[in-house]
Amino acid sequence: NAGVTQTPKFQVLKTGQSMTLQCAQDMNHEYMSWYRQDPGMGLRLIHYSVGAGITDQGEVPNGYNVSRSTTEDFPLRLLSAAPSQTSVYFCASSRRQVNYGYTFGSGTRLTVV
Amino acid sequence: AQTVTQSQPEMSVQEAETVTLSCTYDTSESNYYLFWYKQPPSRQMILVIRQEAYKQQNATENRFSVNFQKAAKSFSLKISDSQLGDTAMYFCAFMKHGGARGGGATNKLIFGTGTLLAVQP
Repeated sequence: NAGVTQTPKFQVLKTGQSMTLQCAQDMNHEYMSWYRQDPGMGLRLIHYSVGAGITDQGEVPNGYNVSRSTTEDFPLRLLSAAPSQTSVYFCASSRRQVNYGYTFGSGTRLTVV
Repeated sequence: AQTVTQSQPEMSVQEAETVTLSCTYDTSESNYYLFWYKQPPSRQMILVIRQEAYKQQNATENRFSVNFQKAAKSFSLKISDSQLGDTAMYFCAFMKHGGARGGGATNKLIFGTGTLLAVQP
């Protein structure tokens, strides 16, 4: 079982560059989410999806786009990277019965210089 | 809006001893879920234990147990017989009950800021 797979694990970007963080899950989970983790702030929700074709904004969506064309994939796009987006990014998925909790990917450490 | 507070940024415990991590939350909801996640140095987020608010019985998973006080909005984690492998950041998280497709904030995890636990040999 691969679970939730995130790529890349590390990335350095220059200010203004764009990139896509990939997330794929093989558990047929309906719910998927993107979080960012910053020191002293816990994890904050960026965008989430309750199923293919449906996405919505979380707590800190500015500067990020998402799409959900398939159940398995939920990429996160940085449109024009800024130093404030330096963070660790986590993708997570859950079946519809969310009381079982989310399964997280191993994270992507992104540095914007 | 819901908030989750972990008031202990760091804690330390001796191997084989018991430690309790605190978590309080604020919500007007009556039905919700609470979770504790562990993040070791590997960065992986691992679900430790979960509690459904409508269940009065405290959840237990091997050496991990919770003290859920719904009226006080408190959800502490007790780790018994601490092991070196328990060294990690621990996050408390809240999720409102629900799940209607596309409806409401029913699948959002709200995290506390974490408690860094060090288990000393």
